[in-house]
Amino acid sequence: DAGVIQSPRHEVTEMGQEVTLRCKPISGHDYLFWYRQTMMRGLELLIYFNNNVPIDDSGMPEDRFSAKMPNASFSTLKIQPSEPRDSAVYFCASTQQASSGNTIYFGEGSWLTVV
Amino acid sequence: AQSVTQLGSHVSVSEGALVLLRCNYSSSVPPYLFWYVQYPNQGLQLLLKYTSAATLVKGINGFEAEFKKSETSFHLTKPSAHMSDAAEYFCAVSDQYTGRRALTFGSGTRLQVQP
Repeated sequence: DAGVIQSPRHEVTEMGQEVTLRCKPISGHDYLFWYRQTMMRGLELLIYFNNNVPIDDSGMPEDRFSAKMPNASFSTLKIQPSEPRDSAVYFCASTQQASSGNTIYFGEGSWLTVV
Repeated sequence: AQSVTQLGSHVSVSEGALVLLRCNYSSSVPPYLFWYVQYPNQGLQLLLKYTSAATLVKGINGFEAEFKKSETSFHLTKPSAHMSDAAEYFCAVSDQYTGRRALTFGSGTRLQVQP
């Protein structure tokens, strides 16, 4: 089975540009998560969705960040305008609802560098 | 709020030696606990999880962990380290009672295996 698929895997962009990260969760999973990983702050939850509806976006840093899930098989995380401090690895993950003990599966990550 | 603390940001062992990575949780009720591994430039992969069944949990690659309520611990062990175990290891917690599905991660422990 295909895992969580993220694109792009690597992106280098200039400060002020818009960045869009994409995620396809595992088929049949109804929870989708966006995490950010940095050296300073470790792994942080940005936002998560259940059945395409945002449940908790308290981790979204500021208004420059937005996330959408237009359907069960696609989500985007957008940064506009991007800043150097947004440089990080962004992970998408998914799981099934049945239990909070269910395994959460992670994608390979999108490595973002803002110069 | 639930949290986990990983003692030791870096651990170095010799090949063939015991691996012990420490994780303590903070929760008013027994949580679900997870260990994930991250190899360089890759996503996170589940090693094992505790979901209120057996307190000694066996995972992939010869790793195991024991849930100790009295010590609020969930330490990860492997009897004999292999060079391929060099990676970063994350302990994580989720709440089995509130319905919140997201994982909260520890700060990670980087394992070095010396030949």
